[in-house]
Amino acid sequence: DAGVTQSPTHLIKTRGQQVTLRCSPKSGHDTVSWYQQALGQGPQFIFQYYEEEERQRGNFPDRFSGHQFPNYSSELNVNALLLGDSALYLCASSSGLADEETQYFGPGTRLTVL
Amino acid sequence: AQTVTQSQPEMSVQEAETVTLSCTYDTSESNYYLFWYKQPPSRQMILVIRQEAYKQQNATENRFSVNFQKAAKSFSLKISDSQLGDTAMYFCAFMKQAGTALIFGKGTTLSVSS
Repeated sequence: DAGVTQSPTHLIKTRGQQVTLRCSPKSGHDTVSWYQQALGQGPQFIFQYYEEEERQRGNFPDRFSGHQFPNYSSELNVNALLLGDSALYLCASSSGLADEETQYFGPGTRLTVL
Repeated sequence: AQTVTQSQPEMSVQEAETVTLSCTYDTSESNYYLFWYKQPPSRQMILVIRQEAYKQQNATENRFSVNFQKAAKSFSLKISDSQLGDTAMYFCAFMKQAGTALIFGKGTTLSVSS
């Protein structure tokens, strides 16, 4: 049973560029959440997708956008990259069923903005 | 807004010893979920244990147990018989209701030595 997968593992971009990160949820899961983790800090919630719609959003600017596909995989897009966007980006999947609250995390994508 | 506080940035323990990691949170909700996640240097976030607020019994998973004090809004993690593989960053997290965002503390770095 495959867990949550993310690609790429590492990414280096320059300021002003755009980036797309990808996530495939754990088998049987239909909900994907994205988190940003700065070095030495706890993850911060970016947004969550369920049934191809953004269901919940954290305190992140519109430069951060996402998408969920019919197979439940998801993309995180960041436009006009800033140095402060350098972080580990974590994807977590969960089931949309009632009382299924546990989120399972992928290995993350390390984004470096130069 | 809910907040999660982990007051111990770093802790060290010898193999086979017991260690307790502290976590306090602030919420006006009566029903919610609490989690401890472990993030080893390889960075994959792994669920250690979870607790539903409406359950008075403290959760236990093998060597890991929690002391959940709802009135005090405290949720500490006890690791018994510490092993070298327990070396990691430990995050306490709060979830207001099933299917919503996780709110993380800043983490505690635990080092287990032989």
